[in-house]
Amino acid sequence: DIQMTQSPSTLSASVGDRVTITCRASQSIYSWLAWYQQKPGKAPKLLIYKASSLESGVPSRFSGSGSGTEFTLTISSLQPDDFASYYCQQYNTYWTFGQGTKVEIK
Amino acid sequence: QVQLVESGGGLVKPGGSLRLSCAASGFTFSDYYMSWIRQAPGKGLEWLSYISNSGSTIYYADSVKGRFTIFRDNTKNSLYLDMNSLRAEDTAVYYCARVGPFPNDYFDYWGPGTLVTVSS
Repeated sequence: DIQMTQSPSTLSASVGDRVTITCRASQSIYSWLAWYQQKPGKAPKLLIYKASSLESGVPSRFSGSGSGTEFTLTISSLQPDDFASYYCQQYNTYWTFGQGTKVEIK
Repeated sequence: QVQLVESGGGLVKPGGSLRLSCAASGFTFSDYYMSWIRQAPGKGLEWLSYISNSGSTIYYADSVKGRFTIFRDNTKNSLYLDMNSLRAEDTAVYYCARVGPFPNDYFDYWGPGTLVTVSS
């Protein structure tokens, strides 16, 4: 099974900050990685697929990078609507999610 | 617009059974693969099962293999999950999700979820 490890688990930041979340895969997943945003009581929302492709309608302040086993999600300038939990997910071999990163207000 | 709406959740005793449904609209359901994912209270996301558009290819996570059955009815634009031998650890919000266009097997649309509580 492919394990996905996100860091940090919690991140405290202010509006306007640049935020980076890291996701590591236990083996190469090439670029078969997605990022989701989830707000309390809501379903996850797709942000990024194939490691760096921005889903339609998602603000350009979100970006993804990486390949193989190391990936990052970057929010270039954190907005009030961005305080949420973020999950990475591999879809190279079946599907596995990272444990999540909660972005909190500092 | 794409809509997925789950139903069928509720309170069930350990060892009991439940059938979840997911009604799809706003897209050609028979063209898309689908999946079920769950989230235990305060926990992360866990993929459970995947079904191809025709139903001929099905995968399960080890945690539910042999207990849960995924199937679909393309004439009714609906996805289902039969859950048997339920355990306390199956308590979660269950989401259905549409799988993205081949070869990208990410989940591009999700339903709002239905809560399943397994408790005596």
